[in-house]
Amino acid sequence: EIVLTQSPGTLSLSPGERATLSCRASQSVRSGSFAWYQQKPGQAPTLLISGASSRATGIPDRFSGSGSGTDFTLTISRLEPEDFAVYYCQQYQTSRTFGQGTKVEIK
Amino acid sequence: EVQLVESGGGLVQPGGSLRLSCVASGFTFSNYGMNWVRQAPGKGLEWVSYISSSSSTIYYADSVKGRFTISRDDAKNSLYLQMNSLRDEDTAVFYCARVSREWSDDYWGQGTLVTVSS
Repeated sequence: EIVLTQSPGTLSLSPGERATLSCRASQSVRSGSFAWYQQKPGQAPTLLISGASSRATGIPDRFSGSGSGTDFTLTISRLEPEDFAVYYCQQYQTSRTFGQGTKVEIK
Repeated sequence: EVQLVESGGGLVQPGGSLRLSCVASGFTFSNYGMNWVRQAPGKGLEWVSYISSSSSTIYYADSVKGRFTISRDDAKNSLYLQMNSLRDEDTAVFYCARVSREWSDDYWGQGTLVTVSS
C-alpha cells in the first residue's frame, strides 16, 4: 500500500498569505494519479486538483498543484476566508489512499 | 448538475447489517465507475470499495473485504453497499463518489452516517 504523509498537520495563516502544503508518498506515484481535495466542516470533500497539477472545474487559479515521484505540493497563492479548511492528498495509482490531512486555520 | 444522494445509514448493533444506497442524477450513470469512501468521526478519509461502469471490476479495501458488497443498478441510477458483520470501527460517514475519466473522485454525495454500537 502506498502511504501518503502530509505536512504540516496544521497551518496557521492569515487571509492574503500564501499556503504551501506538502504530501510525501512512500513510493513513487505517477503524476497523472495524484489529486488534492478540500473539505470544510460538515461537508463532503471537493476535488481541487487532479493529475497533480490540473485544476478541477470551477476551482480558482489561486490553487495550484505541483510535484512528481514521491513529493507533491498544493499551493494557495493568497488565502481567502473560504479557503480555511482541511486538505487531503490522494493517490489512485495503486488502489486508492489518502493522506491524513492538513488543516489550514486562521491565525 | 451532477448530484449524488446517499441514504440508508443509521444505528446498528455490532454484528448487524445495513444497506447503503446512492442515487445519481445529472450525468449518464452507466458510463462511470463509482467509489464508496468513509470517514470516521474526527478522522481522515478511507477508500472502501470501487465498482466499474460495467460492474466487471470490483475492488475492496482489506478492512472490509468479505463483509461488504458493492453493486449497482444502472436502470435505477443507483449504487449500493451491503454491509454485513458490522464492527464498532465501521462507524463513519459513508460517501459515494463518481470516478472521473482521469480516475480522481470528481463528485461526492453529502454522506450518510453509520453508527455501530450496542
